[in-house]
Amino acid sequence: EAGVVQSPRYKIIEKKQPVAFWCNPISGHNTLYWYLQNLGQGPELLIRYENEEAVDDSQLPKDRFSAERLKGVDSTLKIQPAELGDSAVYLCASSLTSGSGGEQFFGPGTRLTVL
Amino acid sequence: GQNIDQPTEMTATEGAIVQINCTYQTSGFNGLFWYQQHAGEAPTFLSYNVLDGLEEKGRFSSFLSRSKGYSYLLLKELQMKDSASYLCAVRIPGGFKTIFGAGTRLFVKA
Repeated sequence: EAGVVQSPRYKIIEKKQPVAFWCNPISGHNTLYWYLQNLGQGPELLIRYENEEAVDDSQLPKDRFSAERLKGVDSTLKIQPAELGDSAVYLCASSLTSGSGGEQFFGPGTRLTVL
Repeated sequence: GQNIDQPTEMTATEGAIVQINCTYQTSGFNGLFWYQQHAGEAPTFLSYNVLDGLEEKGRFSSFLSRSKGYSYLLLKELQMKDSASYLCAVRIPGGFKTIFGAGTRLFVKA
């Protein structure tokens, strides 16, 4: 069974440029998460989807970040415009359920460097 | 606020046993996870505790005390490949959000 797929794996852009990350979750997983992870820190939730509905986006900086999960499968996270402080690893994860015991499966992440 | 504390780094010797502690203060509790993360890779699931006590899975065991807001991950017969970061994460109710600690970097030396 294929795991969570993310692309690109690495992205280098200049500040003020836009950038987009793509995630394909494990087939059948209804819940999809986008996390941000800084070096030496744990993942921080940006947004969580239940099927195509964003049920928790309280930590998403909505002035520059946006996300969508059309048809409740693939998801895209966008930053426009990017700032120097956005340099981090962006992890996508999925789970069968968001309920108790809902183990999350993480993708390899996209390492973003903003110059 | 939500707070999860873990030691920043630990060092242990190959073949030994190491215990990584995690204490948490969160607005509710709906389970505790341990994940392993090798440098530059994705976190991978190790264990899940929702009731007090010890859960054993091969060389890894995880313990939970909800009254003390405390958990530990026990790694036995350490191998070099166990060198990684170990993330403690607490699921809180009201949306089932998962809060991650900063992780403990474990170095296994020969």
